Amino acid sequence: DSGVTQTPKHLITATGQRVTLRCSPRSGDLSVYWYQQSLDQGLQFLIQYYNGEERAKGNILERFSAQQFPDLHSELNLSSLELGDSALYFCASSAGGKAQPQHFGDGTRLSIL
Amino acid sequence: ELKVEQNPLFLSMQEGKNYTIYCNYSTTSDRLYWYRQDPGKSLESLFVLLSNGAVKQEGRLMASLDTKARLSTLHITAAVHDLSATYFCAVDGDMRFGAGTRLTVKP
Repeated sequence: DSGVTQTPKHLITATGQRVTLRCSPRSGDLSVYWYQQSLDQGLQFLIQYYNGEERAKGNILERFSAQQFPDLHSELNLSSLELGDSALYFCASSAGGKAQPQHFGDGTRLSIL
Repeated sequence: ELKVEQNPLFLSMQEGKNYTIYCNYSTTSDRLYWYRQDPGKSLESLFVLLSNGAVKQEGRLMASLDTKARLSTLHITAAVHDLSATYFCAVDGDMRFGAGTRLTVKP
């Protein structure tokens, strides 16, 4: 058990809809990362937050947004969903510095019908 | 744009043998990460390599980083079945991942 909790585990929705994925980091971790894993695009880094502030941005689409709240949990919002957004979305947390290992949640599997 | 290439993409090895997975990247970076992913599971952090010449070992796995050659290696010593998994490298800058190496260790 990594200590990182992601909900929901599975999500099935339709094109054009909007969903919110939630992540609770390990106790004491200040950094949260979001990743997308799909068969055609592999693993992609989306965005990182540190103590409530955006720290780094990767291949995150404009239709996607994220935030980290004062209690350090994070949400990833995906809107105007397309079939290609079907993927496994992972959240990871770390103590903060880039030397720190990241601890991954079990992921949310998003299926767009 | 940073590109990360892993090879081989598929590796089937006998138990007890040694092998190396390579991770090449295209632009300067002095931080590199190795992860393991079991089928249907999440990722597990294996190593964080922070500087040129860094070498880290955990059990039968040893990772090294040569920032001048833009190359990291993950060496497997005396493979056992439990090491069967997909291994990813990721390069700092924009946390670009390699495609992964699917390792199968056969008895």
